[in-house]
Amino acid sequence: QQQVKQSPQSLIVQKGGISIINCAYENTAFDYFPWYQQFPGKGPALLIAIRPDVSEKKEGRFTISFNKSAKQFSLHIMDSQPGDSATYFCAALTTSGTYKYIFGTGTRLKVLA
Amino acid sequence: DTAVSQTPKYLVTQMGNDKSIKCEQNLGHDTMYWYKQDSKKFLKIMFSYNNKELIINETVPNRFSPKSPDKAHLNLHINSLELGDSAVYFCASSQGMGEASSYKNIQYFGAGTRLSVL
Repeated sequence: QQQVKQSPQSLIVQKGGISIINCAYENTAFDYFPWYQQFPGKGPALLIAIRPDVSEKKEGRFTISFNKSAKQFSLHIMDSQPGDSATYFCAALTTSGTYKYIFGTGTRLKVLA
Repeated sequence: DTAVSQTPKYLVTQMGNDKSIKCEQNLGHDTMYWYKQDSKKFLKIMFSYNNKELIINETVPNRFSPKSPDKAHLNLHINSLELGDSAVYFCASSQGMGEASSYKNIQYFGAGTRLSVL
């Protein structure tokens, strides 16, 4: 119940294409869902985040779609660029009660030039 | 100015040795964490300290011992290093834990320490 399942494990997309990464969770106590981006040799860094009372959040080319009833959320990268090539982690956490901060297993994205 | 800094960046050592990794944050955050990232990129939390108090202590061998001399520092000491300890260790910090204001829970990561045990 504490897991966050992330798919796919790896993704190859052509430049200009749409990259889609999916995550699913079980614990309904999770109430905040950030995405982190990690470049080789660097630590993860926050990319975008969403609360479950919002179905979609967009920041530039990055969009989170959230489906509360299905307990799923996804990251869409529009017009994918080679510079987007990185590992992406979804995460889920609780902001009240028993503290939980769970990361997904990561998706390695490669955008071909 | 690096927000979360770890030293050393690389650590190569022999099995059985004892080593330490240092972490400092200059963000004024109350909470600090240690994560282990294996070769498959899985990020696994090891410890969390809030205001110098141990909050999260996941199932980690007791050869690993965190030390928080103050809110800005969280060091990781590892005794009797084993081959399986080889990984990248990340330090992170956040303004708080379980805060109603979501942004306070966002974690800021250091660049990592790549530990290789031979």
